[in-house]
Amino acid sequence: ELKVEQNPLFLSMQEGKNYTIYCNYSTTSDRLYWYRQDPGKSLESLFVLLSNGAVKQEGRLMASLDTKARLSTLHITAAVHDLSATYFCAVDGGSNYKLTFGKGTLLTVNP
Amino acid sequence: DVKVTQSSRYLVKRTGEKVFLECVQDMDHENMFWYRQDPGLGLRLIYFSYDVKMKEKGDIPEGYSVSREKKERFSLILESASTNQTSMYLCASSPMDRVGYTFGSGTRLTVV
Repeated sequence: ELKVEQNPLFLSMQEGKNYTIYCNYSTTSDRLYWYRQDPGKSLESLFVLLSNGAVKQEGRLMASLDTKARLSTLHITAAVHDLSATYFCAVDGGSNYKLTFGKGTLLTVNP
Repeated sequence: DVKVTQSSRYLVKRTGEKVFLECVQDMDHENMFWYRQDPGLGLRLIYFSYDVKMKEKGDIPEGYSVSREKKERFSLILESASTNQTSMYLCASSPMDRVGYTFGSGTRLTVV
């Protein structure tokens, strides 16, 4: 059974600082997704990573995928308050169509 | 803009009622999914469908059923609602190659 582990689960940052969220998963997969969720809202797609070594960037967020290490990272550069949200990684388990989510990282960016 | 639309944003139902949650997508996606989200438990897959009239159980199908009579519509049915089914329900769809999953805005269901 595919397991997805995110850490940290809670992250309090100061504006302007950098930090990384880690997503480890237990079985082979080459499809990994990052989502953002604001309180009371649904999931907004941030990145789709489809191959080993994939790197994608959007604004202050950059995501990467290492399928050999079964690890994805979401790097935050020079955080701003607007980035405060919960971030989820999710791994596609392959032929069983199942998307398995990490528990999420609650990010709070303080002025 | 592509969309997954869930018919209700908030619902309050009584214990024992039969509850229908509707989801419609306009992207001609083959795959559709129902998840529930609970604090501390994250998102868990209830059921999914990869084609019209096809359905597969997810991780927590007990107490639920689904219906997919048309490609664009996937309904989640709570046969007899119970208080432990109070949750946020999220519908999603993806194309056959599963390159990207789009989520609806969610239905917050309260069973009293």
